[in-house]
Amino acid sequence: QAVLTQPASLSASPGASASLTCTLRSDINLATSAIHWYQQKPGSPPQYLLRYSSDSDNQRGSGVPSRFSGSKDGSANAGILLISGLQSEDEADYYCMIWHRSAYVVFGGGTKLTVL
Amino acid sequence: EVQLVESGGGLVQPGGSLRLSCAASGFAFSSYWVTWVRQAPGKGLEWVANIKQDGTETYYVDSVRGRFTVSRDNAKNSLFLQMNSVTAEDTAVYYCARLNTATYDFDYWGQGTLVTVSS
Repeated sequence: QAVLTQPASLSASPGASASLTCTLRSDINLATSAIHWYQQKPGSPPQYLLRYSSDSDNQRGSGVPSRFSGSKDGSANAGILLISGLQSEDEADYYCMIWHRSAYVVFGGGTKLTVL
Repeated sequence: EVQLVESGGGLVQPGGSLRLSCAASGFAFSSYWVTWVRQAPGKGLEWVANIKQDGTETYYVDSVRGRFTVSRDNAKNSLFLQMNSVTAEDTAVYYCARLNTATYDFDYWGQGTLVTVSS
């Protein structure tokens, strides 16, 4: 089972909200994990969006709009990236990431978000 | 302005070797952990390796450990990835990135260099 699982694709309408999930493998403690999110557009390197650990411990990257926010769903053992007020420019691939066993990095498989 | 510029990619035969470089500028390179992340064509991101500020600690994904070596030259603000015994599965765009130790995020990325393993 993969460490981080993301749905391959998601579609949403302009102006709506999109909730992208990142499910942690069952042996990984969501409560003590910080979930990091990156956005990647075609032909470009990934860009750091935000890090979410808790409502009191989270941070958006420089210049990242407040439309992007993070949360957790303990019942699903999942991190969530919420994008509100979807714009066409939000169409991209989104990757979650965690630090695993302190020094190792794991990315999720990515979700392709289509805004239509 | 923070910049990371990768070079050294190209076509290499299976079983061959290649050395990637990443030239850093615009920040105190010796004060940061840096990393290599790769992306196979049409696929997702895969972390490859991290290296500590002084090079004394390195970490690798299982699939490259023993074949790839990450190193750095702080005097030249440069990061390297020595790739040996490459296979077709190593075909990817290789990105270098800087680790922001305040958030443990990769806050700056290079544009990447393409490595193609093929006979």
